[in-house]
Amino acid sequence: DQQVKQNSPSLSVQEGRISILNCDYTNSMFDYFLWYKKYPAEGPTFLISISSIKDKNEDGRFTVFLNKSAKHLSLHIVPSQPGDSAVYFCAASAMNTGNQFYFGTGTSLTVIP
Amino acid sequence: IAGITQAPTSQILAAGRRMTLRCTQDMRHNAMYWYRQDLGLGLRLIHYSNTAGTTGKGEVPDGYSVSRANTDDFPLTLASAVPSQTSVYFCASSRRAYRPGSTDTQYFGPGTRLTVL
Repeated sequence: DQQVKQNSPSLSVQEGRISILNCDYTNSMFDYFLWYKKYPAEGPTFLISISSIKDKNEDGRFTVFLNKSAKHLSLHIVPSQPGDSAVYFCAASAMNTGNQFYFGTGTSLTVIP
Repeated sequence: IAGITQAPTSQILAAGRRMTLRCTQDMRHNAMYWYRQDLGLGLRLIHYSNTAGTTGKGEVPDGYSVSRANTDDFPLTLASAVPSQTSVYFCASSRRAYRPGSTDTQYFGPGTRLTVL
């Protein structure tokens, strides 16, 4: 049973425009959320995180929004650049999951020059 | 360069054979993890270790074992490989084990692509 879902397997965006990647979760106890970026043949790399006490966290071109009532988070990339083309995973964890992070299935972002 | 290394990069293995995937980190992180990545399923946790000398089961532990004799190394062993264990395996580490309010992140190795025939 997938507790973290990324319903869009792929997304294409023009360079300079906004990319919005979405993630939904089912466990209301999740209190920490992360986004990872993965290039082919490499391991995922941490991008940005947010704890449940916040609804927004911003780091340069990347902003993560958390809507706890909807159990939804999103990653906004503005402006999108060709180097942002990668697979993006969201992940979540909670006190009652012990040491376990649950990952979504990933969204492949293509930024078109 | 600090980070996580995994070996081998890729491996083709006959079903029934024993295989150990190696993982070493030099960041002195306490916690380490093994994930497998499968198409359509994302990353799933196999086993983890909060600190040297301790291990725990993740979401999909069956058919795998781990050990954590020291801080740096966290090998993953498939005692008798089966084709369903064909996957890409990622080792990861974090400074501390997850706890409420933690803002630690996980750092991933480059992965091992394993094919079991």
